Amino acid sequence: RKEVEQDPGPFNVPEGATVAFNCTYSNSASQSFFWYRQDCRKEPKLLMSVYSSGNEDGRFTAQLNRASQYISLLIRDSKLSDSATYLCVVSNAGNMLTFGGGTRLMVKP
Amino acid sequence: NAGVMQNPRHLVRRRGQEARLRCSPVKGHSHVYWYRQLPEEGLKFMVYLQKENIIDESGMPKERFSAEFPKEGPSILRIQQVVRGDSAAYFCASSRGGESGYTFGSGTRLTVV
Repeated sequence: RKEVEQDPGPFNVPEGATVAFNCTYSNSASQSFFWYRQDCRKEPKLLMSVYSSGNEDGRFTAQLNRASQYISLLIRDSKLSDSATYLCVVSNAGNMLTFGGGTRLMVKP
Repeated sequence: NAGVMQNPRHLVRRRGQEARLRCSPVKGHSHVYWYRQLPEEGLKFMVYLQKENIIDESGMPKERFSAEFPKEGPSILRIQQVVRGDSAAYFCASSRGGESGYTFGSGTRLTVV
């Protein structure tokens, strides 16, 4: 079983739609949680951190459920520029990041 | 303040040659991480280094791959006798350590022909 699992997609949605991505992780000792965004042939960039209390940044909302070892990302009012691959990432002791395989989002006009 | 600088951006090597990938961390960052991304896959951890020390190399293949982060100069990921399966994007990231975030470089795309 992979340490961090994501549905690879692609998710094809129209502009303005709301889309949700889910992720599960296997290591219950994981300490920190993030969503990264990766554009085609570019480096990953931090989108937002994820907390049990939930974290909202504009159109983006991230949520962590430690009991279920489940992380989510909600994007409201999708824009064309949101098209990218979204990477679920967990960090264990030692601050090393473990990446999921990514979920590809394509927002269409 | 420049971010993480990786060079070269693109590297083409014939099978059996050596590949050297360089990474200069953000100024003030003493922790360096190397990741590999195969086509259509996620990033896989390779090695974690601090100045002059390898902290964790659990993701490094046992043969042909080595990494260093000398007291002076960039971190180097070295791949000897490259094979076609080494073709990938190699990303370097740096941090101050602890719970501080990572900064990624733009990556080196290695193509083995």
